[in-house]
Amino acid sequence: GAVVSQHPSWVICKSGTSVKIECRSLDFQATTMFWYRQFPKQSLMLMATSNEGSKATYEQGVEKDKFLINHASLTLSTLTVTSAHPEDSSFYICSANGQAAFGAFFGQGTRLTVV
Amino acid sequence: QKEVEQDPGPLSVPEGAIVSLNCTYSNSAFQYFMWYRQYSRKGPELLMYTYSSGNKEDGRFTAQVDKSSKYISLFIRDSQPSDSATYLCAMSTNFGNEKLTFGTGTRLTIIP
Repeated sequence: GAVVSQHPSWVICKSGTSVKIECRSLDFQATTMFWYRQFPKQSLMLMATSNEGSKATYEQGVEKDKFLINHASLTLSTLTVTSAHPEDSSFYICSANGQAAFGAFFGQGTRLTVV
Repeated sequence: QKEVEQDPGPLSVPEGAIVSLNCTYSNSAFQYFMWYRQYSRKGPELLMYTYSSGNKEDGRFTAQVDKSSKYISLFIRDSQPSDSATYLCAMSTNFGNEKLTFGTGTRLTIIP
């Protein structure tokens, strides 16, 4: 089956620093990747859609300059949380849609804690 | 009104029982319907998907779609403690690269 790997699985950082999260499709080419944020006991909130080789499309209310997304290849997308603050602490999950695979396949998620 | 409504639960049932999970939606353009299972602190895992109306069975899981009522269901037979998780329904209008619209998820606990 389609495998999406997300790294790191958890990270603790100091307020004001930046954190990069990687999302890789291991056995298929992902033309589109999505980044979600999930608060405890809540559903997934779509943050942005990234297409390989083009700029990401951000959902309303998501700060583009704070959450930088890069999708430089068909197997890798990165999310950088810049100048992180405690309110950015959350569970971040990526998903990838392959050209031949149906549905979205999710990474394991990254738990970010900003102290 | 949310595009997709799902009872958040929590839902607790004894081991071996049949579980019924449901979602309703308002966008008649949705054509593809999915169910995901998410264990605590993990990413969602695709369980089943269906296209348009009808039933689909996979082992102990059955997915049903009734487009006329804008209602989808997931049934779990012979439920096991390992089925304890949050179940999210998701929908899309196109195959492939269309973003998914998720329900809030139902937290399910199977009691041994």
